[in-house]
Amino acid sequence: QVHLQESGPRLVRPSETLSLTCDVSGGSMRTFYWSWIRQPPGKALEWIGYVYTTGRTNYNPSFKSRVAISVDTSKNEFSLKLTSVTTADTAIYFCARDDTTGVIDYWGQGTLVTVSS
Amino acid sequence: DIQMTQSPSSLSASVGDTVTLTCRASENIKKFLSWYQQTPGAAPKLLMSSASGLRNGVPSRFSGSGSGTDFSLTINSMQDADFATYYCQQTYKTPYTFGEGTKLDI
Repeated sequence: QVHLQESGPRLVRPSETLSLTCDVSGGSMRTFYWSWIRQPPGKALEWIGYVYTTGRTNYNPSFKSRVAISVDTSKNEFSLKLTSVTTADTAIYFCARDDTTGVIDYWGQGTLVTVSS
Repeated sequence: DIQMTQSPSSLSASVGDTVTLTCRASENIKKFLSWYQQTPGAAPKLLMSSASGLRNGVPSRFSGSGSGTDFSLTINSMQDADFATYYCQQTYKTPYTFGEGTKLDI
């Protein structure tokens, strides 16, 4: 059974960089896309982007150049960096597995990141 | 971006009811539509992909239909565990987008 677990700071100051890591266990990272999805409190889900094990990425243009997702298959983990955060970036951030068609078949439990001074 | 519109935004039901949730895409997405169930404090759970393909382990009381722009999720004989929020997602093209959700409550 694939298990994903997010880790990283829960509080980020405005204008700083949000950084999260997702540990993947219970399966190989190969042949899947590894995604980040967020959910502002009480709101809908928003797809941020994914990384493939080759390092190829696909990002939601709404994040413009603020986002970077990377992968380290030797550590079975992938990471999210979101720069220049504002209070609008306060959300539960989920790491997830995409079966390469956009279908998210495994999710982490999610971690609430608050942007506040 | 493709906009996904779900209706209703909330729905009250009782155990044993049959309910139908709808999802409309702003353009033709063929059958690239998934449904997720989310309970409070939990991650979403994949119920269905390709509009009508039930995932392993999901009860058969869940069924999906539709293609193009109009889709529906039907839950037959609702159980306590089914009271949750349901999201549709298009996977036709990136950026993948989700609907605003339909909250099912008692």
